[in-house]
Amino acid sequence: DIQMTQSPSSLSAFVGDRVTISCRASQSIYSYLNWYQHKPGNAPKLLIYAASSLQTGVPSRFSGSKSGADFTLTISSLRPEDFAIYYCQQSYSTPYGFGQGTRLEIQ
Amino acid sequence: QVQLVESGGGVVQPGGSLRLSCAGSGFTFSSYGIHWVRQAPGKGLEWVAFIRYDGSNKYYADSVRGRFTMSRDNSKNTVYLQMNSLRADDTAVYYCAKEWEVGATTWTFEYWGQGTLVTVSS
Repeated sequence: DIQMTQSPSSLSAFVGDRVTISCRASQSIYSYLNWYQHKPGNAPKLLIYAASSLQTGVPSRFSGSKSGADFTLTISSLRPEDFAIYYCQQSYSTPYGFGQGTRLEIQ
Repeated sequence: QVQLVESGGGVVQPGGSLRLSCAGSGFTFSSYGIHWVRQAPGKGLEWVAFIRYDGSNKYYADSVRGRFTMSRDNSKNTVYLQMNSLRADDTAVYYCAKEWEVGATTWTFEYWGQGTLVTVSS
């Protein structure tokens, strides 16, 4: 199975900060990588698909990139509503697993 | 707008059964595959099962294969997850999620419901 490793597992930041969350696949997944935002008690939300494509309706402060086996989610200027848990997920091969999540907290 | 609403969760004893439902609206339900994804308490997300838009193919995670069965009724805009031989480690919030692309299988979860809690405990 492909293992997805996210870092950091948690992150504290201020409103207005630029933050990056990383995700690494244990083998090549090409660009089959998605990012989700999850606020506990709410439905998870697709942010980025195919590594760098912004889902319709998602603010442009969110972006995704790929460098080799490393993927990055960037939030250019944090807003209060961005504090949540973020997951990467590979859509390349079964069992289509998720990273362990990154909890983004207000500092 | 797209809406997915799960129901059917509850408390069940180990070895018991439960059937979850996921009702969709705001999109052409019969044109999209539907996934189930679960989150155990304090854990991350785990993909569980998928059914194609027409019900012709179903896929399951190793952890549930042989115990869980997905089905759908497009006339009712509803998919089901029949869960048998439940174990304590099946305790989780179960989410249904709409496939991203019409008529295809991309393993990308475009819209999600708010989930239903299944607790397996004696």
